[in-house]
Formats: sequence, structure tokens, C-alpha cells
Amino acid sequence: AQKVTQAQTEISVVEKEDVTLDCVYETRDTTYYLFWYKQPPSGELVFLIRRNSFDEQNEISGRYSWNFQKSTSSFNFTITASQVVDSAVYFCALSGGRGSGNTGKLIFGQGTTLQVKP
Amino acid sequence: EAGVAQSPRYKIIEKRQSVAFWCNPISGHATLYWYQQILGQGPKLLIQFQNNGVVDDSQLPKDRFSAERLKGVDSTLKIQPAKLEDSAVYLCASSLDGQIYEQYFGPGTRLTVT
Repeated sequence: AQKVTQAQTEISVVEKEDVTLDCVYETRDTTYYLFWYKQPPSGELVFLIRRNSFDEQNEISGRYSWNFQKSTSSFNFTITASQVVDSAVYFCALSGGRGSGNTGKLIFGQGTTLQVKP
Repeated sequence: EAGVAQSPRYKIIEKRQSVAFWCNPISGHATLYWYQQILGQGPKLLIQFQNNGVVDDSQLPKDRFSAERLKGVDSTLKIQPAKLEDSAVYLCASSLDGQIYEQYFGPGTRLTVT
């Protein structure tokens, strides 16, 4: 069975601090995809990143960076120099690759609420 | 490019009443999803369409929930009769290809059942 665990329920930081959101996943598939979504107070889920299981390169996009480690089944997300606008709920998600009955549905973690204080 | 559209944004009904939600996906997206997000939890897939065919409805409570995708574009999700535990946000998402590409989500419909 596929599962995503986000152990941090809530994180509170002061603006300009760096913060890392943890994500651990379980799957038996050899091909799979990992995602991060942001859900601001408005409620709409905003896509941030997609990684496939064969690409373990870390990715950086502005203040955002992602660390994918298959050895520990983790896909962690770091925000550098956090800002108040980063306050939101962040979800890590997993989907299986083609085959093995996978349909591409997303399995979400419980989410981590990030509060950035000024 | 227009995003995923959903309506209504909010709905309050009494238990045992019926309700319907509408979704218009991003143009050209073949795959459409309905997720249910209960407060404090991650979204959970209810049903997935590929064009106008159902790909996965294994977690749809079929005794009260139904969904259709007209002509492979718009979709409606209906609940009849509603229960208190159906109070949640119903999210519609679409993607170019359900197994490779990322999903884009609409703003959701917040349903309150009293």
C-alpha cells in the first residue's frame, strides 16, 4: 500500500528563518512520482513541484529547495529566509507510475501547517 | 490560461437533503478528479475520470454519491442524501495525463451539513 507521512503537524517560525518540512513515503512501486502542494488560507491547492523516482537530484527554485533521498524514502522541502506569505498548509503527495494498476491518483499526507510570524 | 473552475464556493444544507457541485477543468485536460478534504486532513480521491470514462471510483460511497463527466469536459458530483460526515471541502482537479503530469486544483466547494 502507498502511504505518505508528514510527522510535523504545525511549525511556527519567525520571518527570515529557514524551515524544513519533512515527508516520508511508502510504496512498492519502482516508478513513482512525488509532489508538494501549498494550500494557503484561500483553500486552493497550488502545485509546487513534481519529481519522479529516477531523478534524485536536489532541486532549487528561488527560496524553495527539495531534497529527495530514496535510501530513506524521504522528500523534504526547505524554505530559505521564510516570509509571512509562506504561511499555509503544505502537503506532500505520492502517485504510482504506469502499470501495476496505478491510475495516477494522489495519496496525500496529513499536511504541515506553517506559520511565519513577522 | 484559465484554471479549474468550481461552483458553488460554499453550500450549507440540512442532513438528508441533496446537493450538486460543478467543475470545469483546464481546457485540453483529459483527466478529471474529485477529492474530498475533511478539515485537518489531506485530500482523498473520490473518483477519477479519463475523458468521460471512470478510471477509479473505489472510494466513492456509491449509495449516496454519484458523479458524471459530460462529453469529457465538465463534471458534476452529487450527494443524495447528505450526512453530517459529508461536511468537507470538495476539490476538483485536472491534468493532461493522469499518470505522468501534475494535477491542478480548483478553489473547492466548502459543504456544511447541519
